[in-house]
Amino acid sequence: GIQVEQSPPDLILQEGANSTLRCNFSDSVNNLQWFHQNPWGQLINLFYIPSGTKQNGRLSATTVATERYSLLYISSSQTTDSGVYFCAVVGGGSNYKLTFGKGTLLTVNP
Amino acid sequence: DAEITQSPRHKITETGRQVTLACHQTWNHNNMFWYRQDLGHGLRLIHYSYGVHDTNKGEVSDGYSVSRSNTEDLPLTLESAASSQTSVYFCASSDQTGLETQYFGPGTRLLVL
Repeated sequence: GIQVEQSPPDLILQEGANSTLRCNFSDSVNNLQWFHQNPWGQLINLFYIPSGTKQNGRLSATTVATERYSLLYISSSQTTDSGVYFCAVVGGGSNYKLTFGKGTLLTVNP
Repeated sequence: DAEITQSPRHKITETGRQVTLACHQTWNHNNMFWYRQDLGHGLRLIHYSYGVHDTNKGEVSDGYSVSRSNTEDLPLTLESAASSQTSVYFCASSDQTGLETQYFGPGTRLLVL
């Protein structure tokens, strides 16, 4: 099946810093989503982005499908951005099932 | 507003007992999914359904079953709970095409003693 790798596994920032999270996938995809899992365990949809670029406030994401990667940008980070960021994909020719990466644990210190 | 809910949110049970976790969505989505989340493994697919009376096994389906009698609900049953099934369980749904956002419920924390 399709493989999803996220980097870095852990990231520690000071409040106000910018960061880039990366997601590499091993095959063509029909669906790519970024999630934020907050410290209470909730999975929050950030972006549905199988290709192109989207922005939502301080967050933006870019997927280059032909090169099989996606980037999540967080600008002017806040302590509330802390948590785990997951990338998940539905492989091309598939079956609507999301395959998740192992996530990036982001800690934003005040 | 449409939503997806799970119950109970927390559950403690004993080894060998049957446990059912509920998932209910009001999106009118055809596709529904159950995942479990464990440290070191991320989220893994247990079972999924593409519509009423359709069910399929995911990558970690042993010891679990589902049934789909209507569009809104996909209950997950642990036939005989084992300590290895202690986990956080998430239900999700997506529309018929499967090419749009998959929405997740709040999760159920299950502890099997």
